[in-house]
Amino acid sequence: EVQLLESGGGLVQPGGSLRLSCAASGFSFSDYAMNWVRQAPGKGLEWVASIIYDGGRTYYADSVKGRFTISRDNSKNTMYLQMNSLRVGDTATYYCAKGEHGVDYWGQGTLVTVPS
Amino acid sequence: QTVVTQEPSLTVSPGGTVTLTCASSTGAVTSGHHPNWFQQKPGQAPRALIYSTSNKHSWTPARFSGSLLGDKAALTLSGVEPEDEADYYCLLYYGGARGFGGGTKLTVL
Repeated sequence: EVQLLESGGGLVQPGGSLRLSCAASGFSFSDYAMNWVRQAPGKGLEWVASIIYDGGRTYYADSVKGRFTISRDNSKNTMYLQMNSLRVGDTATYYCAKGEHGVDYWGQGTLVTVPS
Repeated sequence: QTVVTQEPSLTVSPGGTVTLTCASSTGAVTSGHHPNWFQQKPGQAPRALIYSTSNKHSWTPARFSGSLLGDKAALTLSGVEPEDEADYYCLLYYGGARGFGGGTKLTVL
């Protein structure tokens, strides 16, 4: 059974940093691209970042470019999102999701709150 | 910045048919955008329905289908059931970067 488990969310002050993790199981993690997607309270889904199967290429939304870094450790079946210079507008539930052309499995999300 | 556009809301009667669309500000949506469709119900994570325009996941009900319709991607629900009331999002692939549509709130009434 495919499982994606996000962790690391919490309350952080503006300008602060946080690292999210996504622990994967039930599939060959090193064969798949992975993604971070966020959803602000009451809003729609927003693509944040993606990383190819071996970590060799990464892609970012303009809204987070230069502040967030996506990475992965295939030996630990884990993906990360390092978030720096956090803003009030980064408040959201952050989901990890598996796949490139076909995004199939999602985690349950972890909430990041940056208060005003 | 690329904008992906969906109908904000649609209403359909039980047993009816409804088509949701997904447009790109860059021009026509093609198979190269690998359109994906997701369903999200309140308090839940999104659930994948369709990938690469028209391919269904193993768990996708048969009443859901994906296609290209003119210059847009489309998700059609045939024989709508009350449980299909949800938010629906499309995702387009831009050669690495991705973009979600703003979502369509589907009401079954």
